[in-house]
Amino acid sequence: KAGVTQTPRYLIKTRGQQVTLSCSPISGHRSVSWYQQTPGQGLQFLFEYFSETQRNKGNFPGRFSGRQFSNSRSEMNVSTLELGDSALYLCASSFAGGPTGELFFGEGSRLTVL
Amino acid sequence: SQQGEEDPQALSIQEGENATMNCSYKTSINNLQWYRQNSGRGLVHLILIRSNEREKHSGRLRVTLDTSKKSSSLLITASRAADTASYFCGHYTGANSKLTFGKGITLSVRP
Repeated sequence: KAGVTQTPRYLIKTRGQQVTLSCSPISGHRSVSWYQQTPGQGLQFLFEYFSETQRNKGNFPGRFSGRQFSNSRSEMNVSTLELGDSALYLCASSFAGGPTGELFFGEGSRLTVL
Repeated sequence: SQQGEEDPQALSIQEGENATMNCSYKTSINNLQWYRQNSGRGLVHLILIRSNEREKHSGRLRVTLDTSKKSSSLLITASRAADTASYFCGHYTGANSKLTFGKGITLSVRP
């Protein structure tokens, strides 16, 4: 079974631009969660989608948005990029999502904002 | 803000020694999970312990949970250089589908 696939793996943007990251979950998994990881703040929860509905949302500004498609693939978008958005963005999937199961993570998309 | 804290923040040991990492949390939990992250990669699930369990083993891993102290420990026995990584504990609370992580412990195993 293929794992969680995130694209692109690396990208460089400039302040003010916008970026879209993609996540393909493990086949059969219906829940996709997104996390931002930085050295200072650690792993911060962004949002979780289940069956195309946002089920949970972290404490991030509205510049961060996401969506999930009918095939469970998910995208997250960050508009008007700031230097502080530089981070490793991790996607994780699970069959039914929280609040009990384990998460399967992708390798992440490393975003650098210049 | 993070609701879990691991300690120590960094641990350096010799190959063959045991590594003990601790995690504390602030609320009641459904379960507690430990993950490993190799440098710049994704997290890999190691072990899950439910709130009604006190100890669990998986290979060289032993995890304990003390809900009265709101803490957990992860023991890696006979450590190997390949165990060098960051380790995170995470937990769910109630019906919340968010898995909350601590800031992690960096483990270095010297060959």
